Amino acid sequence: EVQLVESGGNLVQPGRSLRLSCTTSGFSFGDYPMSWVRQAPGKGLEWVGFVRSKGYDGTMEYAASVKGRFTISTDDSNSIVYLQMNRLKTEDTAMYYCTRGLYIGGYYPIPFDFWGRGTLVTVSS
Amino acid sequence: QSVLTQPPSVSAAPGQKVTISCSGSSSNIGNNWVTWYQQLPGTAPKLLIYDNNKRPSGVPVRFSGSRSGTSATLVIAGLQTGDEADYYCGTWDSSLNAGVFGGGTELTVL
Repeated sequence: EVQLVESGGNLVQPGRSLRLSCTTSGFSFGDYPMSWVRQAPGKGLEWVGFVRSKGYDGTMEYAASVKGRFTISTDDSNSIVYLQMNRLKTEDTAMYYCTRGLYIGGYYPIPFDFWGRGTLVTVSS
Repeated sequence: QSVLTQPPSVSAAPGQKVTISCSGSSSNIGNNWVTWYQQLPGTAPKLLIYDNNKRPSGVPVRFSGSRSGTSATLVIAGLQTGDEADYYCGTWDSSLNAGVFGGGTELTVL
């Protein structure tokens, strides 16, 4: 059974950093693209970024709103994907979801076939 | 402002059919597969339709999708009260080099 479990969400002050983790199981981690998608309270979905599978080239892409501040990385040995968030802003407040791309070795991260339950990040002074 | 445009809300009676539209451009819907997600209250989104019109295992045939040009449509037939949720369209935007979503449509089954 495919499982994605996010952790690390917290209340943090503007300008500070936070690292989210997504622990996965039930599939061959290195074969699939992995994304982060966020949802501000009462708002819609926003794609944050993704990492291509190691089988493709392992590169990352980011949304313009987080590029240069957020970094995605992986721990392949433990099947974990991270989202390092620096210079946090109040507008980064959201539920952060970890998602898996449907296609093995896909160049694009979509569609997202499995989602975690999310971890809440609140940026406030 | 979302890259893809959806109506904020739709409603219909149980047993009826409802259509949700998703409008984009040539850099997204016009040249990339469209996906639809269902988000029930208080839960994570769930994949509903992918590659314009394919249903994952377990999704009822009442849910169908299509794409024409730079627009896509989700049709839900035989509405049930359990279908009340937010529905999002999504795809890749080749110009932005980013994933994009619609703003979401809230479905009310009257």
